[in-house]
This record gives sequence, C-alpha cells and structure tokens, in this order.
Amino acid sequence: DAGVIQSPRHEVTEMGQEVTLRCKPISGHNSLFWYRQTMMRGLELLIYFNNNVPIDDSGMPEDRFSAKMPNASFSTLKIQPSEPRDSAVYFCASSFSGRKEIGELFFGEGSRLTVL
Amino acid sequence: GDSVTQMEGPVTLSEEAFLTINCTYTATGYPSLFWYVQYPGEGLQLLLKATKADDKGSNKGFEATYRKETTSFHLEKGSVQVSDSAVYFCARDTGRRALTFGSGTRLQVQP
Repeated sequence: DAGVIQSPRHEVTEMGQEVTLRCKPISGHNSLFWYRQTMMRGLELLIYFNNNVPIDDSGMPEDRFSAKMPNASFSTLKIQPSEPRDSAVYFCASSFSGRKEIGELFFGEGSRLTVL
Repeated sequence: GDSVTQMEGPVTLSEEAFLTINCTYTATGYPSLFWYVQYPGEGLQLLLKATKADDKGSNKGFEATYRKETTSFHLEKGSVQVSDSAVYFCARDTGRRALTFGSGTRLQVQP
C-alpha cells in the first residue's frame, strides 16, 4: 500500500521565490495535517483539514503561508514570498479520525526546504 | 493550553541498557497519549498509545503507562538495541482531532 506521498523531497530556492509543497494522503483517510520541523521549534502543527475543509489554521505563521485541499487525494502548502527563516522540513500526515478521537497519523517522508 | 514536555536529549546508552524517556502533559481533560518514533531521514511513525488513565501501551518491547495522578506518560524499554537509535516524540490529542507533539528526545544506543 502506498503511504503518504510528498513532493518535492528537497527544494532549494532563493528568498522571495514562491514555493509549493504537495501531498497525497492515504486513500480513505479523512484528515490531513501539515507540520513543520526545525531544530529550534521542534514539530509544529501548521494547519489541518477534515473532509477537505480547513479546521484549524492557527499554526500558520503568517499570510505568506497558505494551504489548500481541493479534493480528498491532494493538498498543497504554498509559501509566497519565501524567506530564509522558512527553511525546515515540512511533513504531511493523514489519518482516519472519528467524530471525537483522532486516528493514527501516517507521515510522509517530508519535504526539506532551504531558502537562501 | 495543550502542551507536552519531554526530557531533553540526547540520551546515550549502551546496548541492553534500560531506557526511560520522561513525558508530562498539561491536564486539560483526558487526552489520548501517544509515542511516535522518527528514524533518520524518515517521517514519524506511531510506536504506542493509551487512551485512558492506567492504560498501558506497548509495542516492540517499549511500554508507557497513562498516569493521570502525575500527568505523565513515560516511555520505557528494558533492553535497548542499536536499532532503537532514533528520535522519540511524546504527543497528546488536543481534543480537536489533532496532535500536539513534544520537542523530541534523541536516543543514541552504542554497541
């Protein structure tokens, strides 16, 4: 079975450029999460979707970040314009969650972003 | 708020040593608690979980008991192996169908 698929695995870009990270969740999962991992701040929840609807985006750093989930099998995280402090590993995860409890999160391998 | 506090690493042990990684959580409600593990270059994967007080989660020789009185969920293993070297994350359910993770504890097991 295919797990959560993220692309690109590595991205190096220059400050000011637009970055788009992509995620394909596991088929049948109803929740999708974007996390950011850095040495300084650890693993931070940026945003999560349930049934393609954004539920909580309070972790999104600022207006430069946006996320979409146009259908159950695809999500994007966009940074425009990018800044060096956005350099991190961005993880997408999906789960099948009930009405009150969260199911096991399955993580992708991450997208390592370097902004010069 | 919903937070999780873990002991700082790295934790360096010799093979077959006993492992404890401490984790405490903020006592808002009765959240489900989890331990996730991250091997080098990979995403996190679920190691074990407990959904209510006094539950013990276990997997691959690792154990953790949900202690409501001390708001703790410490991870233990009786005899670690080199292959257990990884970063371990404690996490709690926020009650809004998302997880809050601790800062992670790096474990290094030497032969």
